[in-house]
Order: sequence, then C-alpha cells, then structure tokens
Amino acid sequence: GENVEQHPSTLSVQEGDSAVIKCTYSDSASNYFPWYKQELGKGPQLIIDIRSNVGEKKDQRIAVTLNKTAKHFSLHITETQPEDSAVYFCAASDSGAGSYQLTFGKGTKLSVIP
Amino acid sequence: EPEVTQTPSHQVTQMGQEVILRCVPISNHLYFYWYRQILGQKVEFLVSFYNNEISEKSEIFDDQFSVERPDGSNFTLKIRSTKLEDSAMYFCASSEEHRPQHFGDGTRLSIL
Repeated sequence: GENVEQHPSTLSVQEGDSAVIKCTYSDSASNYFPWYKQELGKGPQLIIDIRSNVGEKKDQRIAVTLNKTAKHFSLHITETQPEDSAVYFCAASDSGAGSYQLTFGKGTKLSVIP
Repeated sequence: EPEVTQTPSHQVTQMGQEVILRCVPISNHLYFYWYRQILGQKVEFLVSFYNNEISEKSEIFDDQFSVERPDGSNFTLKIRSTKLEDSAMYFCASSEEHRPQHFGDGTRLSIL
C-alpha cells in the first residue's frame, strides 16, 4: 500500500519568511495530493490540492509543487504570518483502482515567530 | 461555509462497552469517511461509505466496527466491545464527489 513520509516534523520561521514542507510517496499510481492545516482543537482543513496532471498550483501565499518522477511534493508558504502557525499534513491517494482513501504523512508543526 | 459536525467532542467509555460516534456531513455530499489518529501517529483511513454501502475499508476496520446512515443527515461509527487501543481521535469526512474530502473537528475517544 501507499506510504507517505513528511519532513520536517517541526519547523520554526520568522514572520515574513518562507516555509517549505516536503513529502514523498511510495505508490507511483497515486494521482491526488491534498494538504491540510490543523489548528489546535480543530479538524484538518483543506488548504490546497494538486492532481498528477499538474506540476504546480498556487493560491495566494500558498503553492504546491509535484515531481512525479521523484515521487515527491512540497508545500510552500510565502510571507508567513503568525496565523499560519499550525500542524500541516500532506496526503496522497490513488483513484486508479477505485480507491479514494487518503494516506497521510505524520504532520509538520509550523511555528511562525513574530 | 458548510461544515462537517461531529458529536460528542470527547467521549469517555469503560473498556468493553459499546460507543457510537456521530457525524453530520455537509448536506449535499454523497461520500462519507471515517479516519482515526492515535496520539502521536498518522491519521489513518478506516472506511468509506456511499449509497448506503461500505465502498472501501482498511484492515483496521474489523468486525468490531460498523457504520450506518440511519437517516438523511447522520453518519455514525459504532465500536463494539471497546479496547484500550481504540483510544484515539476519530475524524469524520465527507465529499460531494470523491475529492476533496472535508473533515470535522473530531471526537476524542478515551477508553478506561
């Protein structure tokens, strides 16, 4: 089955700097890669997703890049703000076999220092 | 913005007892999911549900677990004869089509 590894487990950045979180996946058939943000006491909130027919996607300060050959994808947050502090999860899924379950990484705790 | 709602937020149960976790998915969504997260571990898929049937389940989802959509709005996860290792955060999710999945805030299940 699919395995997703996520790095780093913790990340501290100064407000205004960029943050990059990286994930690798094992199943080359995976074709959908969402990123979720989880604030304390809340459930995972989808912030951006990318499908395997696209190499990059941007939404304001957030971007995701996908390298299918290397089987890795990354989340980039620019101009970080204190409210970006949260745990971020990457996930992967392969719909080819009719499966839509998400396989998650272990999470990255991002701290933005004012 | 529509939300997935889960109740209760925290459930404490004696080992061996049955527990039912409840979810109200987003109203126009057709696909429903349960995931769990044991403290310090990854979020793990349990089961997906569509058209009143289980469409997919993981190895974790054994005979101890069952899901039901008892009416037009609720989606429940029942755990029979709970064990200490069932203690976890349980997340419900729903989607209009298969993707994207939208998650609730979870139910923290504590087995004593």
